[in-house]
Amino acid sequence: GAVVSQHPSRVICKSGTSVKIECRSLDFQATTMFWYRQFPKQSLMLMATSNEGSKATYEQGVEKDKFLINHASLTLSTLTVTSAHPEDSSFYICSASIASGTNEKLFFGSGTQLSVL
Amino acid sequence: LAKTTQPISMDSYEGQEVNITCSHNNIATNDYITWYQQFPSQGPRFIIQGYKTKVTNEVASLFIPADRKSSTLSLPRVSLSDTAVYYCLVVSADSNYQLIWGAGTKLIIKP
Repeated sequence: GAVVSQHPSRVICKSGTSVKIECRSLDFQATTMFWYRQFPKQSLMLMATSNEGSKATYEQGVEKDKFLINHASLTLSTLTVTSAHPEDSSFYICSASIASGTNEKLFFGSGTQLSVL
Repeated sequence: LAKTTQPISMDSYEGQEVNITCSHNNIATNDYITWYQQFPSQGPRFIIQGYKTKVTNEVASLFIPADRKSSTLSLPRVSLSDTAVYYCLVVSADSNYQLIWGAGTKLIIKP
């Protein structure tokens, strides 16, 4: 299947700093990428939909100024957690869609575990 | 998007066939069904996808009855490494393929 690379896999930072997470589609072009967060033993929660060349669409309750998304190319989307606080500690996952006949398949990155001290 | 309901957890033994059933009563005409597997601290991995009847690939089968209000993921001859959380999702082509994640089924395979 298609490969989505997410980096870094783990990051520990101090409160108040910003953290950037990269999501790359390695062998296909992705006009749309999705960003999720997941708390322990819970399901994925969609944060935002990232569209190449346009502004991201954020889900209700997700602060767009807090979670900056940039999708400057067809193979790269970035999520920047600005002024991170301990409550932002979570597992962040990106995904990219690829057409499969009349359907779309989503392929996921390996996730980024963010720990804010 | 249609919501899904699936068992919270299941146990089975190595070598057995495991069937996980998901209900999606309000599935719409253009919706299709996708299953993902997730290991701890990893991103979900695509397993199988289908619209109706039966779909089979190298790792699983997906059975969807005619009314499409439920679907069953079948894992043949499971091993310990199949212990994971399995998510059933209904995907709407009319809503930019967004996925609404349910609780998932935690499958534990015992030796």
